[in-house]
Amino acid sequence: GAVVSQHPSWVICKSGTSVKIECRSLDFQATTMFWYRQFPKQSLMLMATSNEGSKATYEQGVEKDKFLINHASLTLSTLTVTSAHPEDSSFYICSAIHRGDYGYTFGSGTRLTVV
Amino acid sequence: DQQVKQNSPSLSVQEGRISILNCDYTNSMFDYFLWYKKYPAEGPTFLISISSIKDKNEDGRFTVFLNKSAKHLSLHIVPSQPGDSAVYFCAASVLYGGATNKLIFGTGTLLAVQP
Repeated sequence: GAVVSQHPSWVICKSGTSVKIECRSLDFQATTMFWYRQFPKQSLMLMATSNEGSKATYEQGVEKDKFLINHASLTLSTLTVTSAHPEDSSFYICSAIHRGDYGYTFGSGTRLTVV
Repeated sequence: DQQVKQNSPSLSVQEGRISILNCDYTNSMFDYFLWYKKYPAEGPTFLISISSIKDKNEDGRFTVFLNKSAKHLSLHIVPSQPGDSAVYFCAASVLYGGATNKLIFGTGTLLAVQP
């Protein structure tokens, strides 16, 4: 089946630094990937839609300069949290559409803690 | 504006009995609905989906019912097993850009199946 690999699974960084999260589709090509954020005991909130070869589309209220998304190939999208602050601490999850069966496959998520 | 709602934050069921998880939505443009199971610090796992042209879809112990007039869907799990204990999210898709659908998630229901 379709597999999406997300790395790292957890990261701790100092306030003011940047963190990059990778999302890879391992056995299929994903022209579109999605980035979600989940706060404790809350729903998954869509942050942005990442399109291969073009700019990402951000949801209302998401700072595009803070959450940089790059989708340089059909199998890789990256989310960079720039100048991270403690309020950016959250669980970030990516997903990709597997066109073969119209399935959404999710990565395993990244727990970001900013100290 | 929460377009997809799960009004029960938690549900407790005895092993072997039926679990019924409910989901309501407000956007009549949603054309595809999915249920996911999620453990803490992990990505969601796909369970079952239903297209807006159907009112029922069944897969093993899982059945999803869709009532378009009421903008309501439900997931039935029977018989419930302790391993089913997790947070369940319903999600709905919205046509986006003519070719890509993004998922909007509900708030989640924590299911506890008691042995």
